[in-house]
Amino acid sequence: DIQMTQSPSSLSASLGERVSLTCRASQEISGYLSWLQQKPDGTIKRLIYAASTLDSGVPKRFSGSRSGSDYSLTISSLESEDFADYYCLQYASYPLTFGAGTKLELK
Amino acid sequence: QVQLQQSGAELAKPGASVKMSCKASGYTFTSYWMHWVKQRPGQGLEWIGYINPSTGYTEYNQKFKDKATLTADKSSSTAYMQLSSLTSEDSAVYYCARIRAYYYAMDYWGQGPSVTVSS
Repeated sequence: DIQMTQSPSSLSASLGERVSLTCRASQEISGYLSWLQQKPDGTIKRLIYAASTLDSGVPKRFSGSRSGSDYSLTISSLESEDFADYYCLQYASYPLTFGAGTKLELK
Repeated sequence: QVQLQQSGAELAKPGASVKMSCKASGYTFTSYWMHWVKQRPGQGLEWIGYINPSTGYTEYNQKFKDKATLTADKSSSTAYMQLSSLTSEDSAVYYCARIRAYYYAMDYWGQGPSVTVSS
């Protein structure tokens, strides 16, 4: 199974701040990576797929990138609605596996 | 618009079974695979398996092979997951989510009702 190592596990940041989350894949996943946002009420929304393609309707302050086996989600300027949990998901091979999550909190 | 409407929260006794549903609307049900994901309280997400509603083909995470059974009813555009021989380890939130095919990511998710196993 492909292990996804996500960091940091938690992050405190201020409104307007730029933050980055990272997932490292234990095997080659060839860009088959998605970023998900989970709100406190449990609602899950996909933000990015194919490592860097923004979903329709997702604000442009979100972006995804890849450097080798490291995949990053960057939020350029935090807004209040961005404080949530974030997960990466690899869909290159089955079983599908998720990162352990990052809890983004307001400082 | 695409919607995945899941059935409500469940309370079940140890050793029992539960069957939850995920009713799809806003798209052609048989054109997407339906996946199921588990989230234990305060924990991350875990992939259970998927069903291709068009063919009935299923694929499971080995960990859930003897725990979950996935089915689908094309006539009502509804996917189901049955969990058997429940233990406290099965207390979790369970999400359904659709995927177009291999090498596609889950795009729409259900709201994720909880299952609580308690005597």
